[in-house]
Amino acid sequence: EIVLTQSPDFQSVTPKEKVTITCRASQSIGSSLHWYQQKPDQSPKLLIKYASQSFSGVPSRFSGSGSGTYFTLTINSLEAEDAATYYCQQSSSLPFTFGQGTKLEIK
Amino acid sequence: QVQLVESGGGLVKPGGSLRLSCTASGFIFGDYYMSWVRQVPGKGLEWVSYISSTLTITRYYADSVKGRFTISRDNAMNSLYLQMDSLRAEDTAVYYCARLRGGEWFDPWGQGTLVTVSS
Repeated sequence: EIVLTQSPDFQSVTPKEKVTITCRASQSIGSSLHWYQQKPDQSPKLLIKYASQSFSGVPSRFSGSGSGTYFTLTINSLEAEDAATYYCQQSSSLPFTFGQGTKLEIK
Repeated sequence: QVQLVESGGGLVKPGGSLRLSCTASGFIFGDYYMSWVRQVPGKGLEWVSYISSTLTITRYYADSVKGRFTISRDNAMNSLYLQMDSLRAEDTAVYYCARLRGGEWFDPWGQGTLVTVSS
C-alpha cells in the first residue's frame, strides 16, 4: 500500500497569504496524484487532478505541481472561504489511498 | 446538474448488516466507474470499494472490508449499492458515494450517509 504523508497537519494563515501544502508518497506514483478540498460539514471536492491539472470551476489561485514522490498544492492570495481540510489521493495502485489531511485555519 | 444522493445509513449492532444506496442523476450512470469512500467523523478519508462500468463487471475492495462488503450497481435504476455484513465498531463512518473518473479521481461526491455500529 502506498502511504501519502502531508505536511503540515495544521496551519493558521492570514488572508492574501500564499500557502503551500506538501504530499510525499512512499514510492514513485508518477503524476497519479489528486487534491481535494473539504469544508466543514461538506463532502470533498476535487481541486487538482494528475498533480497539476486544474479542475473545471476551481479558482485560479489553486495550483499543483510535482511528480514521482513529491507533490505540492499552492494557494496564492488565500481567501477566507479557503478555510478547509485539504487531502491528496493517489491512483497509481490499489488500494487508492489518501493523505491524512492538512487543516487550514484563517486568522 | 450531476448529483449523487446516498441513503440507508443508521444505527446497527456489531455483527449486523446494512445496505447503502446511492442514486445518481445528471449524467449517464452506466458509463462511469463508481466508488464508495468513508470517513470516520473528524478523521481522514478511506477508500472502500469501486465497481467498473463495463458489461464484465469488476469490483475491488480495501482489505479492511474484503469478504464483508459487496458493491453492486443497477444501471437501469441509476443506482449504486453497498451491502455491508458482519459490521464492526470500526466500520462506523460517513459513507460517501463518488463517481470515479478515468478510474483514478473522484468527482463528484454525494453528501454522505452516517453508519454507526454500536451495541
